[in-house]
Amino acid sequence: DIQMTQSPSTLSASAGDRVTITCRASQSISDWLAWYQQKPGKAPKLLIYRASNLESGVPSRFSGSGSGTEFTLTIRSLQPDDFATYYCQQYNSYGSWMFGQGTKVEIK
Amino acid sequence: QVQLVQSGTEVKKPGASVKLSCKASGYTVTNYHIHWVRQAPGQGLEWMGIINPSGGSTDYAQKFQGRVTMTRDLPTNTVYMELSSLRSEDTAVYYCAREVATRTFGFWGQGTLVTVSP
Repeated sequence: DIQMTQSPSTLSASAGDRVTITCRASQSISDWLAWYQQKPGKAPKLLIYRASNLESGVPSRFSGSGSGTEFTLTIRSLQPDDFATYYCQQYNSYGSWMFGQGTKVEIK
Repeated sequence: QVQLVQSGTEVKKPGASVKLSCKASGYTVTNYHIHWVRQAPGQGLEWMGIINPSGGSTDYAQKFQGRVTMTRDLPTNTVYMELSSLRSEDTAVYYCAREVATRTFGFWGQGTLVTVSP
């Protein structure tokens, strides 16, 4: 199985900060990597697909990059609404999906 | 608009089974795969498996092989997930999610809380 390692597990930041979250795969997944935002008590929301493509309606301060085994989600200028937990998710050619462990972005 | 509406809260005893539903609307249900994802309290997201509503084919995460069954009822646009031999560790919110063209989960149900307790 391909393992996903997401870091950090918790990130303390202030509004206006630039934050970066990393997701590493144990083997290459090309660009089959997505990012989700989840708020307490709510279902996850798709932010980024195919590593770097912004989902429709998602603010442009969110961006994704990477390919192969290393990926990043960047929030350019953190807004109050962005304090949430973020998950990466991979799809691999064996026909399975897996999520990273999650990164909680909290107020500093 | 696309909607996935899930069934309500369940409380089960260890060893029992639970069958959850996910009713799709706003699109042709046979055109998109449906996944089930669960989240234990305070924990991360865990992919359980996928069903192709068109032909009914399924693929389950290895962890759940032998305990999970995903089915669909086309006349009612409903997908089901049954989990058997429940244990306390199965206490979680269970989500159905519709795949989009990019092999990601573009639409989610509201989640169903399943509590397993003696």
